[in-house]
Amino acid sequence: KNEVEQSPQNLTAQEGEFITINCSYSVGISALHWLQQHPGGGIVSLFMLSSGKKKHGRLIATINIQEKHSSLHITASHPRDSAVYICAVSGVGGGSQGNLIFGKGTKLSVKP
Amino acid sequence: GAGVSQTPSNKVTEKGKYVELRCDPISGHTALYWYRQSLGQGPEFLIYFQGTGAADDSGLPNDRFFAVRPEGSVSTLKIQRTERGDSAVYLCASSPDRNSPLHFGNGTRLTVT
Repeated sequence: KNEVEQSPQNLTAQEGEFITINCSYSVGISALHWLQQHPGGGIVSLFMLSSGKKKHGRLIATINIQEKHSSLHITASHPRDSAVYICAVSGVGGGSQGNLIFGKGTKLSVKP
Repeated sequence: GAGVSQTPSNKVTEKGKYVELRCDPISGHTALYWYRQSLGQGPEFLIYFQGTGAADDSGLPNDRFFAVRPEGSVSTLKIQRTERGDSAVYLCASSPDRNSPLHFGNGTRLTVT
């Protein structure tokens, strides 16, 4: 069983739509990361959070520690948001912060 | 400023050969991480350095894999007797400290033929 589950695996949206990507994990963690990976490109860290909610531009990330669940929201989506969004957790079982466990990613495609 | 730099960007080698992959972290970042991403999969943790020492090497798959960071900045991931299954994108990331978000390089795509 994967320790980090993301849904959906694939998501197609029309430009302007509100998008939600979900991440559930099954172990105790110290932090959760949302990452963005463009095709053929590197990975960009979007958020690192251990509680509550963070906002950056059109992106919002929330986490519920009790329910072991996080969501990434994109408001007013744009074709340039098309990428793979990866959820990762760190500090699992008291392990090191660098030992990230990654989800398999959600491939988002935003159509104009 | 300069981001995390990985060289080479692509490496093709024959089965059984030795390879070295280099990572130049952002200046001043004490934490450095190596991950491996196979096609269609999420990345997998390999090793984490805090300064010069490997704080966690539990992700290294076997003793053919080794990484160093002798002066606490540049790191080299070394793979001996490469196998076709080692083909993947090897990602390096750094952060100012263990509690800060990671900055990723663009990766080295290793192909073992």
